[in-house]
Amino acid sequence: EVQLLESGGDLVQPGGSLRLSCAASGFTFSSYAMSWVRQAPGKGLEWVSGISSGADATYYADSVRGRFTISRDNSMNTLYLQMSSLRAEDTAVYYCAKDSGRIVLREVFDYWGQGALVTVSS
Amino acid sequence: EIVLTQSPGTLSLSPGERATLSCRASQSVAITYIAWYQQKPGRVPRLLVYGASSRASGIPDRFSASGSGTDFTLTITRLEPEDFAMYYCQQYLNSHTFGQGTKLEFK
Repeated sequence: EVQLLESGGDLVQPGGSLRLSCAASGFTFSSYAMSWVRQAPGKGLEWVSGISSGADATYYADSVRGRFTISRDNSMNTLYLQMSSLRAEDTAVYYCAKDSGRIVLREVFDYWGQGALVTVSS
Repeated sequence: EIVLTQSPGTLSLSPGERATLSCRASQSVAITYIAWYQQKPGRVPRLLVYGASSRASGIPDRFSASGSGTDFTLTITRLEPEDFAMYYCQQYLNSHTFGQGTKLEFK
């Protein structure tokens, strides 16, 4: 059974930093791209970032490029999202999602974690 | 960026009825790169259908997708009580974007 477990969500002040983690199990982690998708309170879904299976390619939404960094440790089956220069508009539940293939591009998200709440407020 | 606009915002129907949810793209997208997700309140999004006709694991055949160009449709035949939820379309031709969602509620 595929399981994705996010951690690291917290309340952080504007301008602050936070790192999210996503522990994966139930599939061959190193064979699949992974993404982060967020959902602001009461709002829709927004793709944030993706990383290829071998970590050789990363992709970002314009809204976070230059502030967020995605990475992965295939030996630990863990995905990360380092967030800096956080803004109020970054407040959301952040979901870790398994891509259906290796490369992020032109793939769907076939499994999702339970989400981690990030609140940016003073 | 490809913008997806879903309609209606809310759809009120009864169990047993047929639901038709629409998704319009700001530029042409092959149906191969359109997916639909379901999200129930307080729950995680779930992949329903993707590509021209693929259903995700465990998704019943009452869910189907169709369309071409800029107009796409998710059809749910014979609504079951568990189908009442929020539905999002997604394009994955050019990066990833989602529509704003259609809420399917009990009439």
